[in-house]
Amino acid sequence: NAGVTQTPKFRVLKTGQSMTLLCAQDMNHEYMYWYRQDPGMGLRLIHYSVGEGTTAKGEVPDGYNVSRLKKQNFLLGLESAAPSQTSVYFCASRPRRGVLTEAFFGQGTRLTVV
Amino acid sequence: SQQGEEDPQALSIQEGENATMNCSYKTSINNLQWYRQNSGRGLVHLILIRSNEREKHSGRLRVTLDTSKKSSSLLITASRAADTASYFCATDLNDMRFGAGTRLTVKP
Repeated sequence: NAGVTQTPKFRVLKTGQSMTLLCAQDMNHEYMYWYRQDPGMGLRLIHYSVGEGTTAKGEVPDGYNVSRLKKQNFLLGLESAAPSQTSVYFCASRPRRGVLTEAFFGQGTRLTVV
Repeated sequence: SQQGEEDPQALSIQEGENATMNCSYKTSINNLQWYRQNSGRGLVHLILIRSNEREKHSGRLRVTLDTSKKSSSLLITASRAADTASYFCATDLNDMRFGAGTRLTVKP
C-alpha cells in the first residue's frame, strides 16, 4: 500500500515555464488536497477536491489550476511559473466527512522557480 | 480565515518536561485532529478527538476539546528530543486548513 505519492520530488523551473505536479493515492479516498508551505510557515490550502470531477478553490488559488479526472489522481498545474511560487508542495487525501477522517500526506515536492 | 490556529508559535523545553500546545477554531466541528511534521516532511496524523469527547489519550499524548470555547490542547508528557517537530491542528471541514503550527524544540 503506497499511500499518497507525489511526482516529482524536486523540480527547478524557469520563470514563465509550466509544469504539472501529480498526486496519486491508492486508498480510494474521496477528498484530496494541494497545499504549499513556505519556509517557517504553516500549510496553505491551494485547491481541493471532494470527489472525482469536482474541484474547489482554497486560500491561495491564484496562479494554479487543478484537475481530478480520476478518483485516485489530483493534478496541480502551474501555467506560467513565478519566483513567488517557489515552495514545498504537499498533497493529502482523506476519506469523506462523517467517517474516520484522518488525512494522509505525500512527502512533498520541492519546487524552485528561478 | 484559518480553521485552526495554534498557540504558542514556538516552544522550547528540556527533555523530560511536558509540552502543551493550544488550538483555536471558528466553526462547528465533528472532530478535531492533531498532526506532526518533522522538518521538511509530510504531516503525520497523531490523534483525533470527536466533538462529543472532552479528553483523549494515546501513549504520551493527551488531547482535550472544549467545544464551547472552540479550543483544543495537545499535551505531550515526558518529552523526548525525538518529539522536536511542528504540530498542527485541523478541523474536519471539507476545506481542511491548518494554522501556522507550534514549533516544538526539545533539548536533550
